Amino acid sequence: LAKTTQPISMDSYEGQEVNITCSHNNIATNDYITWYQQFPSQGPRFIIQGYKTKVTNEVASLFIPADRKSSTLSLPRVSLSDTAVYYCLVGARFSGGYNKLIFGAGTRLAVHP
Amino acid sequence: EAGVTQFPSHSVIEKGQTVTLRCDPISGHDNLYWYRRVMGKEIKFLLHFVKESKQDESGMPNNRFLAERTGGTYSTLKVQPAELEDSGVYFCASSQTRDGGYEQYFGPGTRLTVT
Repeated sequence: LAKTTQPISMDSYEGQEVNITCSHNNIATNDYITWYQQFPSQGPRFIIQGYKTKVTNEVASLFIPADRKSSTLSLPRVSLSDTAVYYCLVGARFSGGYNKLIFGAGTRLAVHP
Repeated sequence: EAGVTQFPSHSVIEKGQTVTLRCDPISGHDNLYWYRRVMGKEIKFLLHFVKESKQDESGMPNNRFLAERTGGTYSTLKVQPAELEDSGVYFCASSQTRDGGYEQYFGPGTRLTVT
């Protein structure tokens, strides 16, 4: 499984766009990039997953350059409720199989009024 | 639809005692996982069930931990006897098989304190 590196913490203000970058230099051909969010006293929650280029859903966007050695999670117009830890995970996605998730330290995002 | 539920939410026991944690996955999810976070550390995988079968136990720390999933529904994780280093938050997650299990749905966790 590819190792990931992401900032330990970030600060932002309400209404701003937040971009969290994750480095995964050793990503393999079969690996997908997945982001989870964790609020205090809750379990992690799936946000978004992608393989290449750009993926967007109702919560976030995920930008993946052509070399796939990094990815950027973009949160538009954050609010105080977006304060959480964000985890970048890289691993193969097996159809009909399973994946044990390998969590790193994550990025602690603090959104201020 | 109900999410993943875990019971109890908190448990405080003395060293040497036994504790059993329970997880009820989302209905219809064949995959069930246990993870834990000990103080100051990252979330670590413990084991994975597909229905009632253990697929991967590689994360189980030692034989004091026993996980079961009767009938492929709920799962229990028993710690016997508990040690101080077992303190932490134990998460359960479930997923459907069709998407490869990468989108896992986590429960709120059980906070275990061993004194």
